[in-house]
Amino acid sequence: SAVISQKPSRDICQRGTSLTIQCQVDSQVTMMFWYRQQPGQSLTLIATANQGSEATYESGFVIDKFPISRPNLTFSTLTVSNMSPEDSSIYLCSVAPGANEQFFGPGTRLTVL
Amino acid sequence: EDQVTQSPEALRLQEGESSSLNCSYTVSGLRGLFWYRQDPGKGPEFLFTLYSAGEEKEKERLKATLTKKESFLHITAPKPEDSATYLCAVQVSTGNQFYFGTGTSLTVIP
Repeated sequence: SAVISQKPSRDICQRGTSLTIQCQVDSQVTMMFWYRQQPGQSLTLIATANQGSEATYESGFVIDKFPISRPNLTFSTLTVSNMSPEDSSIYLCSVAPGANEQFFGPGTRLTVL
Repeated sequence: EDQVTQSPEALRLQEGESSSLNCSYTVSGLRGLFWYRQDPGKGPEFLFTLYSAGEEKEKERLKATLTKKESFLHITAPKPEDSATYLCAVQVSTGNQFYFGTGTSLTVIP
């Protein structure tokens, strides 16, 4: 298994500003994922972040809106840029230390006013 | 199109009343099917991975089964602490993506 922490745990932001979410893992992992979970909905994959390469974004998500950094094998950041109320959501990072397993962080609850 | 559907959306059980949650899937190729538990305000907690039809896994009061088209999460004699949202996800064989269902919100009443 893997222990994952996220910062901040929650935030309230003003429209038009940006927020950077940090994800820290207690072991080295190649694959990290960023998800969004909007109220009452399931998890939607935003992007896959592998160390040493550009993040791969899913349909509907773009780098200008959700820039991702992956400086090493235990850390990643997701920035939500130029926020609007529609970006209010829970943002989750996850890791896949093995081929068929995936563990999640506690999430960051974002509210945009 | 790869798709995962869970039912029911919500389920209320009396303590001790056994039931099952359903996860049906349509994918091009299945690498694995995953069950998670999610408590309010927390990230999903991994429960089981199933890889092939006929496979079963158990953990305390939970038992997961898999067929070629769906998976069931059986809850035997549930307790109030089993109240949570249960998510299922499939990992397709063509890549590393996980597709999640919308979850079943389970409430167990004392």
